Amino acid sequence: GDSVTQMEGPVTLSEEAFLTINCTYTATGYPSLFWYVQYPGEGLQLLLKATKADDKGSNKGFEATYRKETTSFHLEKGSVQVSDSAVYFCALRPNDYKLSFGAGTTVTVRA
Amino acid sequence: DSGVTQTPKHLITATGQRVTLRCSPRSGDLSVYWYQQSLDQGLQFLIQYYNGEERAKGNILERFSAQQFPDLHSELNLSSLELGDSALYFCASSLLGTSETEQFFGPGTRLTVL
Repeated sequence: GDSVTQMEGPVTLSEEAFLTINCTYTATGYPSLFWYVQYPGEGLQLLLKATKADDKGSNKGFEATYRKETTSFHLEKGSVQVSDSAVYFCALRPNDYKLSFGAGTTVTVRA
Repeated sequence: DSGVTQTPKHLITATGQRVTLRCSPRSGDLSVYWYQQSLDQGLQFLIQYYNGEERAKGNILERFSAQQFPDLHSELNLSSLELGDSALYFCASSLLGTSETEQFFGPGTRLTVL
């Protein structure tokens, strides 16, 4: 079935460091891919998405490129801030309606 | 603020009991989704409703049921509760029930079963 595997955390970084969270997926067909972020005590928010191969999603300095050949959708940010501390979820949605999520990666950015 | 509201925010109950979680979707959204987030299972899709009708089912236990009412709010009923049902339950809504529409998540209801 469809599944998402993402890098296990926790990840601890210093402010202005480069962040990469790896995400790979298994799916039939051509799913849409997403990164969601969950700040402490809050629900999930859509961070970015890509709906077809080679699409690049970007938002708030974060980027991820839909790589069909490597079935990956790695999240990157060039210079993190303390406010980026959160749990990040990679997710896919095939042609049906439900989202399948990865396990989540906890990121802590220290000042 | 996503516009999706969930009540209550926290719920503490005992094993064997029954609880109801409530979700109000964003204004205009017709579809509601329920997800369970637990430490051992991660974030899992439970069920989806579209305009009052069940549209898709995920890993939802038989002890759990849901419905969407004519005013489009939804309730998730959990019965014969077990310790393992302790989790954060999220509701999400989208304009339509199709794969093209973005899902907006509520803040969640944290259920603790003692």
